[in-house]
Amino acid sequence: NAGVTQTPKFQVLKTGQSMTLQCAQDMNHEYMSWYRQDPGMGLRLIHYSVGAGITDQGEVPNGYNVSRSTTEDFPLRLLSAAPSQTSVYFCASSSQPAGVSTGELFFGEGSRLTVL
Amino acid sequence: SQKIEQNSEALNIQEGKTATLTCNYTNYSPAYLQWYRQDPGRGPVFLLLIRENEKEKRKERLKVTFDTTLKQSLFHITASQPADSATYLCAPSTDSNYQLIWGAGTKLIIKP
Repeated sequence: NAGVTQTPKFQVLKTGQSMTLQCAQDMNHEYMSWYRQDPGMGLRLIHYSVGAGITDQGEVPNGYNVSRSTTEDFPLRLLSAAPSQTSVYFCASSSQPAGVSTGELFFGEGSRLTVL
Repeated sequence: SQKIEQNSEALNIQEGKTATLTCNYTNYSPAYLQWYRQDPGRGPVFLLLIRENEKEKRKERLKVTFDTTLKQSLFHITASQPADSATYLCAPSTDSNYQLIWGAGTKLIIKP
C-alpha cells in the first residue's frame, strides 16, 4: 500500500520563487494536513482540510496556500519563498480528526525544502 | 500559552533495560494523548493513543501512562533493543478543536 505519497523529497529554491509540494493518499481519508518540522521544535500545523473543497488555516499559514479538489490530493503552494520557509514539510491524513480518540495520523516521508 | 515539553537531550539506554520517556504539558487539559515514533529522514509513525480516563495503555513492549494531576505522560519500552532507537514524539489533543499540539521529541539511543 502506498499510503501517503509526497513529492519532491528534496528541493532547493531561491528567494522569491514559487513551488508546489504534492501530497496524495490512497486510503480514502477525509482529513488531510500539512505540517512543518524545524530543529528543536514540535510539528507545526500549516493548513488542514476536512474534506474535498474544505480547507482551513493552522498555526503557521502565512506564505502558504492549499486547495483540496479531490479526496486524494492536497497540494501545498509556496507563493514567494523566503529563507524562513526552509524546513521539512510533512503531509498527513486520517479517517477522523487528528485529535479525537480514533484520529491516528498517517504521514508521508517528508519534503526537505531549502530556500537560499 | 499551551506548552508541551519532552526531554531535549538524547536518552541513552543499555539494551535489555527499560527506557522511560517523559511528556509534560502546561496550560492545557488534553482529552487524548498520542505517541509517535520518527526515524531519521522519515515521517512519524503512530504508536499508541491514551485517553484521559485511562491510566495506562499497553501494546507489546510499549506502555503509556497518563497522569492528569501531574500533567504528564510517560512512555516505557521494556526489554529495549537497538532497533528501538528513534525519536519519540508526544501529541496531546482536546475535544474542542481536535488539533494535536506536538512536543519536539526525545531521541532514544539503545546501546548493544
